[in-house]
Amino acid sequence: SQQGEEDPQALSIQEGENATMNCSYKTSINNLQWYRQNSGRGLVHLILIRSNEREKHSGRLRVTLDTSKKSSSLLITASRAADTASYFCATGGLTGGGNKLTFGTGTQLKVEL
Amino acid sequence: DAGVIQSPRHEVTEMGQEVTLRCKPISGHDYLFWYRQTMMRGLELLIYFNNNVPIDDSGMPEDRFSAKMPNASFSTLKIQPSEPRDSAVYFCASRGPNSPLHFGNGTRLTVT
Repeated sequence: SQQGEEDPQALSIQEGENATMNCSYKTSINNLQWYRQNSGRGLVHLILIRSNEREKHSGRLRVTLDTSKKSSSLLITASRAADTASYFCATGGLTGGGNKLTFGTGTQLKVEL
Repeated sequence: DAGVIQSPRHEVTEMGQEVTLRCKPISGHDYLFWYRQTMMRGLELLIYFNNNVPIDDSGMPEDRFSAKMPNASFSTLKIQPSEPRDSAVYFCASRGPNSPLHFGNGTRLTVT
């Protein structure tokens, strides 16, 4: 079964706007990662945040993690048409060395010109 | 670095036939993972290897599925016999020490 649930399922914005996606999970985690998937392609790693971190930045990406609420958010600032893709959160559990990543259901982001 | 290479990109087969999916991980990566993606169930981990040894195959749906990694540069996922419900996109991913997963572009399997 899937560990994470992303919200919203789909998001449509205009180029230049910010996009926020949320992820909720069920069990204790070692880390949480965000991946992007373009249509017909494999997933690409974006950013990892550890369970003892609360916020992390990478370029136009900002990730927050609230372990008390078992939730995370991904913010993409100044979106571009090239950001159109599906975004997945993935959680690494406390066992198995964190190798058993469990992926959420994904948010489909469409950035329109 | 060519990334994770999967073949074929598309496979269409009839129910009951044997299907073999292939994966070449990134050189130097010691972990290899097989995932399956469907609309209904999302991304599911099927099995993963460390240093060519299967570590966890609890996600393999049933005995019709088998995976091997004869060496560090090659892995196969075999379905025998195939069924329509096996239709999905199958991804191979690899990672090295302290690195995130690197995914291939997947094999889209259609079983009619």
